Amino acid sequence: EAGVAQSPRYKIIEKRQSVAFWCNPISGHATLYWYQQILGQGPKLLIQFQNNGVVDDSQLPKDRFSAERLKGVDSTLKIQPAKLEDSAVYLCASAPLRGEQYFGPGTRLTVT
Amino acid sequence: RKEVEQDPGPFNVPEGATVAFNCTYSNSASQSFFWYRQDCRKEPKLLMSVYSSGNEDGRFTAQLNRASQYISLLIRDSKLSDSATYLCVVGNNQAGTALIFGKGTTLSVSS
Repeated sequence: EAGVAQSPRYKIIEKRQSVAFWCNPISGHATLYWYQQILGQGPKLLIQFQNNGVVDDSQLPKDRFSAERLKGVDSTLKIQPAKLEDSAVYLCASAPLRGEQYFGPGTRLTVT
Repeated sequence: RKEVEQDPGPFNVPEGATVAFNCTYSNSASQSFFWYRQDCRKEPKLLMSVYSSGNEDGRFTAQLNRASQYISLLIRDSKLSDSATYLCVVGNNQAGTALIFGKGTTLSVSS
């Protein structure tokens, strides 16, 4: 079974630029999550989708971060404009309803 | 107070040692509890769920004390391959799916 796919794997941008990350969940998984993991910290939930609806985005910095999951499958996470403190690994995870979350390999973002 | 707090580590142990990790959580309404393992520069992977009755999976034993809001993980007979960061995780929404991760404790097992 294919796992969660993410791209790109690495991205380096300058502050104030924009960036977008893409996630393709495991087929059939209704729930999709985006996490931010800063070096030395555990992952922090940014947003949770169930199908194409948002369940929880309370920790998403909405002035600069946005996410969508059109058609309830793939998802994109965008940062505009990026700040130095956005340097982190962005992890996507998917799960069946009330099931185990499976994480993708992540996108490592460096903002200079 | 942080939502999920873990021993800071790192833990450096020889092969064959027994090592215990502790974790406390602040939200008494938390619904689900897990230990995840994360290898260097890799994604987290579920190690085991944690139940009040305690559960064991081979060399790994997890315990939950709801009254004390305390979770533990015991690893017996440590192997080199156990070297990783262990993340204590709590699920806080009604379905237990909004996961809150601790910072993680790093374990290094040496020969």
